[in-house]
Amino acid sequence: AQSVTQPDIHITVSEGASLELRCNYSYGATPYLFWYVQSPGQGLQLLLKYFSGDTLVQGIKGFEAEFKRSQSSFNLRKPSVHWSDAAEYFCAVGSPASGGSYIPTFGRGTSLIVHP
Amino acid sequence: EAGVAQSPRYKIIEKRQSVAFWCNPISGHATLYWYQQILGQGPKLLIQFQNNGVVDDSQLPKDRFSAERLKGVDSTLKIQPAKLEDSAVYLCASSVHRGRAQFFGPGTRLTVL
Repeated sequence: AQSVTQPDIHITVSEGASLELRCNYSYGATPYLFWYVQSPGQGLQLLLKYFSGDTLVQGIKGFEAEFKRSQSSFNLRKPSVHWSDAAEYFCAVGSPASGGSYIPTFGRGTSLIVHP
Repeated sequence: EAGVAQSPRYKIIEKRQSVAFWCNPISGHATLYWYQQILGQGPKLLIQFQNNGVVDDSQLPKDRFSAERLKGVDSTLKIQPAKLEDSAVYLCASSVHRGRAQFFGPGTRLTVL
C-alpha cells in the first residue's frame, strides 16, 4: 500500500527566507505527486503536481518541487517566503488505478509559521 | 467558474443520530471524491466516483457510512448512526477526469457530542 510521510509537523521561517518542506512516499512504481495548501478556514488548493516528464515542477505562488526517484522524495521549495504563505501544506500521492484514475493518499501535513 | 459547493458548512449532532452532507462538483467534472479530515491529520479518501459509478470505497466504513451520486452530478454522504470519532471535516473534491488534479470544496465541519 502506498504511504506518504511529511516528517516535519511544524516549520518556522522568517519572512524573506527560503523554504523547503519535505515529503517522502512509499510506492512500488512512479506515482502521481501533488502538493496542496490549506489556509485557515479554506479548502485545499493545488500548488503543483507531477505526473511524468521534467522532475522539477513549477507551481503557483512561486512554489516549485523536485521529484527524486532515488530518494522517493518530492520536496516543496520557495526561494523567499511571504507572510501570506503561513498555512498547512499537504503532500499527496496518487497510485494509478483502473481506467486512468488514481487513488490519492495524503500526508499528515506540515504547518508553516512565518515570522515577520 | 463556480467552485465545488458543499452544505451545510457546520453541523452539530449527538451520537447515534444521522447526518447527511451534500456536494455539488464543478460543472463538467466527472470524478467526485469524499474525504474525512480529522483535526491534525491529512484528508483520508472515503469514496471516489466516476460519473455515478464507484471507483474506490475501500476506506468507507460501510456499516455506518453511505454515499451516492445517482445522476452523476451532485452527491450525498450519509452517516447513520454517528459516533464520537466521526467528528471531522468532510471534504468533497472533483476533477475534470480521473487522473487529473482535484478541486476541493470548503468542507463541512461535523461535531458529534
